[in-house]
Amino acid sequence: GENVEQHPSTLSVQEGDSAVIKCTYSDSASNYFPWYKQELGKGPQLIIDIRSNVGEKKDQRIAVTLNKTAKHFSLHITETQPEDSAVYFCASGEGNNRLAFGKGNQVVVIP
Amino acid sequence: EAGVAQSPRYKIIEKRQSVAFWCNPISGHATLYWYQQILGQGPKLLIQFQNNGVVDDSQLPKDRFSAERLKGVDSTLKIQPAKLEDSAVYLCASSRRQAQNEQFFGPGTRLTVL
Repeated sequence: GENVEQHPSTLSVQEGDSAVIKCTYSDSASNYFPWYKQELGKGPQLIIDIRSNVGEKKDQRIAVTLNKTAKHFSLHITETQPEDSAVYFCASGEGNNRLAFGKGNQVVVIP
Repeated sequence: EAGVAQSPRYKIIEKRQSVAFWCNPISGHATLYWYQQILGQGPKLLIQFQNNGVVDDSQLPKDRFSAERLKGVDSTLKIQPAKLEDSAVYLCASSRRQAQNEQFFGPGTRLTVL
């Protein structure tokens, strides 16, 4: 089955700096790649997603880039704010098959 | 619109006891998912329903876990009997259609098995 890995496991950044989280996947047939944000005591919330026919997608301070050849995609958060502190999960899926989630990255924004 | 509702939010039981979780998805969402999230890991799909039919239950431990969505709306997940390793957060999610559309998650039920 699909194997999804995230790096680094924990990332600390100064407020205002950028944060980048990388995710690798194993199944070359995967064509849907969402990123979820999970705050303490809450369920995951979709923040951005990308499909395999697109190389980059941006939404305000958040962007995702996809490299299908290398089988990795990255989440970029610019001008980080304290409210960006959370656990971020990447996932990948193909067709109607289940999404496989990574183990998560803890992002800490230091004021 | 109202989000995905789950109850209870917390449950503590002893091993070998039974427990049930309830989920009410967003109105109009045909697809419902139950995930297990062990501490420090990402969500793992247990079962996926399309309306009241099961689409994927390949990762559901069927000897002790069961789930139903009888009228194609709300759903229950049951564990009987519970083991220590079942301690986790059980998340329910829903989407308009299958898999590749945005999944909306509920707050989860934190289960502790002693």
